Amino acid sequence: AQKVTQAQTEISVVEKEDVTLDCVYETRDTTYYLFWYKQPPSGELVFLIRRNSFDEQNEISGRYSWNFQKSTSSFNFTITASQVVDSAVYFCALSEAYNQGGKLIFGQGTELSVKP
Amino acid sequence: DTEVTQTPKHLVMGMTNKKSLKCEQHMGHRAMYWYKQKAKKPPELMFVYSYEKLSINESVPSRFSPECPNSSLLNLHLHALQPEDSALYLCASSQEGLAGVSSRFFGPGTRLTVL
Repeated sequence: AQKVTQAQTEISVVEKEDVTLDCVYETRDTTYYLFWYKQPPSGELVFLIRRNSFDEQNEISGRYSWNFQKSTSSFNFTITASQVVDSAVYFCALSEAYNQGGKLIFGQGTELSVKP
Repeated sequence: DTEVTQTPKHLVMGMTNKKSLKCEQHMGHRAMYWYKQKAKKPPELMFVYSYEKLSINESVPSRFSPECPNSSLLNLHLHALQPEDSALYLCASSQEGLAGVSSRFFGPGTRLTVL
């Protein structure tokens, strides 16, 4: 069974703080894909990153970084020097390559509030 | 052009109305999706079209009727909706068919209110 758990429902930080959003996943497949999406109050789901199960390299994109660890089935997301514009709900998602039509399994989301 | 567009942005309708939501993408993607999202919840998959054919229907009530006129357009026809159908309706597209290899790009959504 596939499952994505984002244990942090809400996080509140002050601007310029670093913040890490946790994501733990469950899957029986050896080939799978992990995603992070950002959903600001406007509603659009913004694609941030896709990572396949064979690539455990961490990735950095500006203030964003992702730590993928297969040993702990985690795919955590860190925002460095947070800004008010980072306030949004962040979803982690899992897709198994050839199962169930590539259905995206979403976590429940983490609502991040960055205060000035 | 790397975006998915949706119209209208907001829609208010009565339970006896018939309305349609529209979605368009010009990225050459071959799979398109409808999701429903309630407040404080993740999106829930409703329908998947792959190469213009309906591939997945997640047991959605018949008052929701999808249509894919061509590879760039996706419609969702609404009829006799219930107040509990009020939600954000998101359209998405991805490059390949049903395999999970492709990143899914979402539109801005239509906020639907059923009175």
